[in-house]
Amino acid sequence: NAGVTQTPKFQVLKTGQSMTLQCAQDMNHEYMSWYRQDPGMGLRLIHYSVGAGITDQGEVPNGYNVSRSTTEDFPLRLLSAAPSQTSVYFCASSYSGGVYGYTFGSGTRLTVV
Amino acid sequence: KQEVTQIPAALSVPEGENLVLNCSFTDSAIYNLQWFRQDPGKGLTSLLLIQSSQREQTSGRLNASLDKSSGRSTLYIAASQPGDSATYLCAVLKETSGSRLTFGEGTQLTVNP
Repeated sequence: NAGVTQTPKFQVLKTGQSMTLQCAQDMNHEYMSWYRQDPGMGLRLIHYSVGAGITDQGEVPNGYNVSRSTTEDFPLRLLSAAPSQTSVYFCASSYSGGVYGYTFGSGTRLTVV
Repeated sequence: KQEVTQIPAALSVPEGENLVLNCSFTDSAIYNLQWFRQDPGKGLTSLLLIQSSQREQTSGRLNASLDKSSGRSTLYIAASQPGDSATYLCAVLKETSGSRLTFGEGTQLTVNP
């Protein structure tokens, strides 16, 4: 049972480049979400999904796109990377809307130069 | 808007000491509160989950309490060990938040041998 798997673990991008951060879970959780963690700001919600085909914006959605074509996968797309998107990104999943707790991935450390 | 505060921001103790980490939240309408541990450069590991109807949860040397009406939770660590050194985060799941977690900024704990 792998839990929540994020790839890549590290990435360096140039300003303006695009990329996709991958997230997969094997627990059949319907809820999946993306957070970013920045010093002094804590973890903030970017986008979330309550099931396949359903996504919604979180607290800091600008510059990011998501889609949910399957229950297992929830990729996060950076459309045109900016230095302000330098951060650590975490994917999380839960059953029944988090009532039984959330499981987090190991994170992707992204640097935009 | 739900706000979560953790005090202290950093704590350094000698090995063997019992310690308490504090978490407070402004809106008492929560489903649950989850305590996580984060090691440097790593993901979030769930330690304890307390439902809004519960007063406390225990796992090994860890005990978490919840006073929903006053908006407070404490994480008690007994007989601390150097391996307990990490950042401890609390997160609340609000009843009408669309299943999003609101995090505190964490307490960075160092246990000295």
